[in-house]
Amino acid sequence: AQKVTQAQTEISVVEKEDVTLDCVYETRDTTYYLFWYKQPPSGELVFLIRRNSFDEQNEISGRYSWNFQKSTSSFNFTITASQVVDSAVYFCALSDAGNNRKLIWGLGTSLAVNP
Amino acid sequence: DTAVSQTPKYLVTQMGNDKSIKCEQNLGHDTMYWYKQDSKKFLKIMFSYNNKELIINETVPNRFSPKSPDKAHLNLHINSLELGDSAVYFCASSQGTGRLGQPQHFGDGTRLSIL
Repeated sequence: AQKVTQAQTEISVVEKEDVTLDCVYETRDTTYYLFWYKQPPSGELVFLIRRNSFDEQNEISGRYSWNFQKSTSSFNFTITASQVVDSAVYFCALSDAGNNRKLIWGLGTSLAVNP
Repeated sequence: DTAVSQTPKYLVTQMGNDKSIKCEQNLGHDTMYWYKQDSKKFLKIMFSYNNKELIINETVPNRFSPKSPDKAHLNLHINSLELGDSAVYFCASSQGTGRLGQPQHFGDGTRLSIL
């Protein structure tokens, strides 16, 4: 069965620290997509990145980077030099051909970046 | 130029009342969704429509009824509101009929509080 696990419920760091949010997924499909979303305190859900199962290249966007490793079924998200504005709940999600193509969501990791 | 807009943003009402939440997207997407997010931030898919056709109908009380007059709109009507319905309800949309892996774009949410 499909599953997304975000083992870290809450993380607290001091500004400028690097922080990695873990995401481990389970699927039997060979074709699937992984996503990260951000939910800041204001409440909206913001799409950050999508990665397909055939592309294991790591991605960097400014201070954000994503490490996709099929061997460990992980899609981890690192924020470099964290800032207070990075404080949010971050969700990892999986989409595959099963389950009527709906997103399977992790429970989220709440990140607090303190000044 | 809002992409996915839902109204109202806040809804405070009494138990037993009937209420509706409206959602519109101007992204030209084919698929729309309703999610419920509880106080622990867990995101639960409720319904999904593709080109006005219901494709996902999760185990949701039949007091909840979606209606899609056209592919740009998906409204949610709730009858006989109960305390447990208090949550944030998110509308989302994605591109591509049947295409796997399309990111979902979310509205800002409707915070429903039942007194």
